[in-house]
Amino acid sequence: DQQVKQNSPSLSVQEGRISILNCDYTNSMFDYFLWYKKYPAEGPTFLISISSIKDKNEDGRFTVFLNKSAKHLSLHIVPSQPGDSAVYFCAASSGTYKYIFGTGTRLKVLA
Amino acid sequence: DAGVIQSPRHEVTEMGQEVTLRCKPISGHNSLFWYRQTMMRGLELLIYFNNNVPIDDSGMPEDRFSAKMPNASFSTLKIQPSEPRDSAVYFCASSFRGADSPLHFGNGTRLTVT
Repeated sequence: DQQVKQNSPSLSVQEGRISILNCDYTNSMFDYFLWYKKYPAEGPTFLISISSIKDKNEDGRFTVFLNKSAKHLSLHIVPSQPGDSAVYFCAASSGTYKYIFGTGTRLKVLA
Repeated sequence: DAGVIQSPRHEVTEMGQEVTLRCKPISGHNSLFWYRQTMMRGLELLIYFNNNVPIDDSGMPEDRFSAKMPNASFSTLKIQPSEPRDSAVYFCASSFRGADSPLHFGNGTRLTVT
C-alpha cells in the first residue's frame, strides 16, 4: 500500500523551461511534506518543505505547492538548469518521525 | 560543516558473513535513522533512535538485523548472517528533532552479498 506516489518515473525538460514534479498521497493525516534531490552515488539532499497550514512555499528557483483537498503536491523548478538533473523524492509525515517516501522521479534537463 | 558520515561506501561480502555498517550523525542532532533503498521497495525506514535510544525498530526485516547507538556520535547497523537479498544501499540520516524536521542523509553504503 503506497501512501506516497510519484507516478512519473522520469521527466525531460529543456534548459530554461519549467520542471513540474508531482506527488500524490493517500493519508489525510500527513501534515508535513518534503522534497529531496538525489544525485548518483550520493544520499538524498533536502530541498524544500511545506507544512499543511500553507499551500505554497518558495525558495529561490524552487516552489512547492500543496493541494490538500486533492492530496497532491508539486515541485516547480524555474528556470531549470542542467545541474538540476537528478532523482527527486517527495516524502510525507504525520507529525511523527516516520517519513514515507515516494519512489522518485528522474529529471533530465537538456542543454 | 561535516554532514552525516557513513562507512564503508561499498561492501561486498559472501552469504553468511557478518556485515557492519557505520554512521556518524551531524553533531547536535538527536535523532538518527537507518534506511534501506531497493528498486522494489524504494526507501524504507529500518530503525529510529532518539537521544541514542531505539524508539522504533519495526522496520528491521529480521532478527539477523541489529542496530546500536552507543553514544550521540556513532551508530552501527549489523547483519549477521548476511544473505543475497540484503543487497541494497543503506542510508543513515540524522535530524534535530525527528518530527517535522528535515532528515540529513549520508552518502550511503552499497552492500552486495554474493
